[in-house]
Amino acid sequence: DGGITQSPKYLFRKEGQNVTLSCEQNLNHDAMYWYRQDPGQGLRLIYYSQIVNDFQKGDIAEGYSVSREKKESFPLTVTSAQKNPTAFYLCASTGGFGADTQYFGPGTRLTVL
Amino acid sequence: EDQVTQSPEALRLQEGESSSLNCSYTVSGLRGLFWYRQDPGKGPEFLFTLYSAGEEKEKERLKATLTKKESFLHITAPKPEDSATYLCAVFNNAGNMLTFGGGTRLMVKP
Repeated sequence: DGGITQSPKYLFRKEGQNVTLSCEQNLNHDAMYWYRQDPGQGLRLIYYSQIVNDFQKGDIAEGYSVSREKKESFPLTVTSAQKNPTAFYLCASTGGFGADTQYFGPGTRLTVL
Repeated sequence: EDQVTQSPEALRLQEGESSSLNCSYTVSGLRGLFWYRQDPGKGPEFLFTLYSAGEEKEKERLKATLTKKESFLHITAPKPEDSATYLCAVFNNAGNMLTFGGGTRLMVKP
């Protein structure tokens, strides 16, 4: 089955720790995105990548980092610099940058203890 | 700056009671408007893309329409399984990023 997978589904972090969220897609999509969703709110863009080895900051990139070493993978690291990291994190992909529909993964819920 | 506002924030309906959700937007050249459905604790599920004013799309009990300033998601004779949060988003001509509204939480009671 083609799709986007995110792992883990739930993640707990102690203050001061960095954590990495995984996002993998087998749709052969070029562009990938990371969003953050807080309770009762819409999605806000953290980072996006059009092609391998290239990525750009979104609206709320501070305290986050990404890499795009392979077309199918776009991991997100939440660093200790992120002041309020507890949120639901969503990864998405689309066939080409600027192309139409973004398809989403199931999400990772990160909780800081 | 692109902006998307959805109303109402929450909507309670009885099963079979038709209604509409609103998505108002301001964008520097609309490339596309998207509707998604999101169930609690899950990723958004794509429903529709609309590209130009006057366009309409349907899927089962849902119908999406588009004008130059807003989009409506009409729900005809809803069922409890239609309960979810419905998200609207716009893509501008620069194609840099999708801007989302805050969503409408729909609750359909049997």
